[in-house]
Amino acid sequence: EAGVTQSPTHLIKTRGQQATLRCSPISGHTSVYWYQQALGLGLQFLLWYDEGEERNRGNFPPRFSGRQFPNYSSELNVNALELEDSALYLCASSRIYSNQPQHFGDGTRLSIL
Amino acid sequence: ILNVEQSPQSLHVQEGDSTNFTCSFPSSNFYALHWYRWETAKSPEALFVMTLNGDEKKKGRISATLNTKEGYSYLYIKGSQPEDSATYLCALLSGGSYIPTFGRGTSLIVHP
Repeated sequence: EAGVTQSPTHLIKTRGQQATLRCSPISGHTSVYWYQQALGLGLQFLLWYDEGEERNRGNFPPRFSGRQFPNYSSELNVNALELEDSALYLCASSRIYSNQPQHFGDGTRLSIL
Repeated sequence: ILNVEQSPQSLHVQEGDSTNFTCSFPSSNFYALHWYRWETAKSPEALFVMTLNGDEKKKGRISATLNTKEGYSYLYIKGSQPEDSATYLCALLSGGSYIPTFGRGTSLIVHP
């Protein structure tokens, strides 16, 4: 079984640019979650998608957005990048409404110069 | 906003030592607790799903217990090995939400 895959592994941008991060869930999983881990902080919930719809979002500004495609893969878009957006972004997948642990990708390290 | 606390923040032990760390959470509306191991440069990997008060789970030298009435879970590692070095995360699911709240993790370093 292929795991959750994320791309790119690393992304370097400058302030004001836009970044796109991608995630493919495990086969059979319809829910995709995005998390941010900034330096010194825990995993902060960003967005939850299922069946192509945004189900919930965390306490982040609107310039963090995304979408989920019919094949359940997902994109996270961050507009007007700021220095504090530098972080590890993790994607996780699960079956919807499951109490089972999520399956995580290896993450995308986003660095803002 | 749920508050999931993990302690200690970091831990250094010698190979062969046994160790344990704590995850504390609000006891109301408990649904499930997950433990993950997160090795450097890898993805978090699920260790245990804890759902019932008094649950005890074991995987090799690692075990976990759950007390939902007082709001804590312990993770134990018996005879630590260098390959156990990782950050251990707990994540709480509480009633009505399928979005886990993560603790900040306990970083374990096992010295040979």
